[in-house]
Amino acid sequence: DAGVIQSPRHEVTEMGQEVTLRCKPISGHNSLFWYRQTMMRGLELLIYFNNNVPIDDSGMPEDRFSAKMPNASFSTLKIQPSEPRDSAVYFCASRVTGSTEAFFGQGTRLTVV
Amino acid sequence: RKEVEQDPGPFNVPEGATVAFNCTYSNSASQSFFWYRQDCRKEPKLLMSVYSSGNEDGRFTAQLNRASQYISLLIRDSKLSDSATYLCVVNQSGGSNYKLTFGKGTLLTVNP
Repeated sequence: DAGVIQSPRHEVTEMGQEVTLRCKPISGHNSLFWYRQTMMRGLELLIYFNNNVPIDDSGMPEDRFSAKMPNASFSTLKIQPSEPRDSAVYFCASRVTGSTEAFFGQGTRLTVV
Repeated sequence: RKEVEQDPGPFNVPEGATVAFNCTYSNSASQSFFWYRQDCRKEPKLLMSVYSSGNEDGRFTAQLNRASQYISLLIRDSKLSDSATYLCVVNQSGGSNYKLTFGKGTLLTVNP
């Protein structure tokens, strides 16, 4: 299995631009999570989906952030407009119901200048 | 109080040493507990679950004290390859929900 696949691995963009991060969960996994990691705040849960339905988006920082999961094999996290304080590593993770383990993708390192 | 709190370290120990990490959590309704490991510039990976009775996996021992809301990880006979950040993780949800809350991690460096 290829694991959780995220793209792009690195993204450098200018302030004000739209950024779209992509995630393909492990096949058969029905829960998907978006996390953000910074030195200051560590790993923060932004949003998670069960069976493609958003369950908890209380971690989404503000309206500039949105996430979608149109089907079981694809999710996006969009930031519009981006700001320098959004610079972080964004991780996607997936899990199958009943399992205790969440599997993380390699992350997208976002830099907003 | 932070939801999951860890000593950030860093811990610098020689090979063969025993090292212990501690973690506290604030939500007494938390359901399950884990230690994840994160290598530099890599993704977190599950190291082990933590059970109420305590559990061991080779050189690693995890303990949970629900009354004190305290979790620990002990590494015996540490190896160079144990150098990483260790993340204390708590699942605060029940039923079909699964909300993992991470501590900020404790950095371990094992020196030759």
